[in-house]
Order: sequence, then structure tokens, then C-alpha cells
Amino acid sequence: QVQLQQWGAGLLKPSETLSLTCAVSGGSFSDFYWNWIRQSPGKGLEWIGEINHSGVTDYTPSLKSRATMSIDTSKNQFSLKLTSVTAADTAVFYCARGRLFRGTSAYYFYMDVWGKGTTVIVSS
Amino acid sequence: DIQMTQSPSSLSASIGDRVTITCRASQIITSYLNWYQQKPGEAPNLLIYAASRLQSGVPSRFSGSGSGTDFTLTINSLQPEDFAIYYCQQSYTTPFTFGPGTKLDIK
Repeated sequence: QVQLQQWGAGLLKPSETLSLTCAVSGGSFSDFYWNWIRQSPGKGLEWIGEINHSGVTDYTPSLKSRATMSIDTSKNQFSLKLTSVTAADTAVFYCARGRLFRGTSAYYFYMDVWGKGTTVIVSS
Repeated sequence: DIQMTQSPSSLSASIGDRVTITCRASQIITSYLNWYQQKPGEAPNLLIYAASRLQSGVPSRFSGSGSGTDFTLTINSLQPEDFAIYYCQQSYTTPFTFGPGTKLDIK
């Protein structure tokens, strides 16, 4: 049974750096894509980006300048850093496993295992 | 970015009802469409992937259909545990985007 356990600081001041880590247990680490998603009342669910086991990343354009994802395959962990946070970054952050389904003519991506979420509040 | 819309935004139904939720993409996404269920205080839970494929462990009363830009999630014979918020998500291209959600509550 694959589980994702996530942690990180929950209260930040404006301009600080958000730092979250997600640990994967109970399954393969190298065959999947590792994602971060956030959820705020104002913007709903927002995909932040993904990283694969080789460290190749893909970010949503609106956060690309501030977000950095990294991976530690020796620990089966991946992390998110988001610099210069503001109140608009207040949200619940989730890590999630992404995988591909091979259809008849294409590969379909979906996120099938999620962490429980970390609430991050940015306030002075 | 591909914009996802859902209708209705909220829906009231009774135990045993059949309900349908609609999701529309701002451009053709063929079958690159997933559905998630979220209950209060929990992470989203995958129900359907590739528009119509039922995730392992999800009850068969859930089904998905559609292709192109228009998709539906159908729940047959609503159970008490089905009252939640439902989101669609496109995986045709990054950035992956979600619909605003449909809140299903008890009539």
C-alpha cells in the first residue's frame, strides 16, 4: 500500500520561503511522476508542478519563477520550495503520485495517490 | 492554459438517486480527463481516469463518459458516502488544470 507522508512549516511571514517534503513508502519510486498541488478557497485546486525520478521538472507558468522541486531517490522523498510567499500563497498543499495509463493509442496521466495535505498560512 | 468548467456548481439529491455532473474543456482534450471526489478535510480521491476508466477500488456505481470537450460523471444509486465535492481535471497538457468543483449534498 503506497503512502505519501508530507510535512513542512505551516506558518510563514510574507517574503519567506515555503518548504515542504513528501516521503513515499510502500512502492516503487522510479516509475512515477511526483506532483505538488495546492488548494485555496479563492483559486480551487491548482497544479504546481511535477518531478520525475531523474529530476526532470515541469512547473505551472504562474509559479515557475518562484517554485523549485527536488528529489532524493536515496530517501524516496521529493520536495517543494516556493520563494517570496505572500498571503495569496495561503493554501492546503498536497503531494501526489502521477502515473501513466497506456491506452490503445496514447498514454493518459492521472494522480492516484495523494498525501493528506499541509496547511500553509502566510501572515505577518 | 486549458480552462475547465463544471455544471452544476451544486446539486441536491437523495439516497438512491442517479446524478450526472458535466465537465467541459476550453479546447479538445480527447480522453485526457480525470474525475476526483473530495470530502471535507481530506485529499482528493481518484475515481475515473482517461475519461471512462474506473480506478481500482472505486464502486461500479461511478462511471465516466465523453470525449473531445464534453464529459460526464454519473453516479447510480447514490449512497450516503457519495455526498462530497467532485472535480474534473485535464491531463492533455501541462499545466494540468481542474474544474471548480460540483458540490453534491443531501436533499
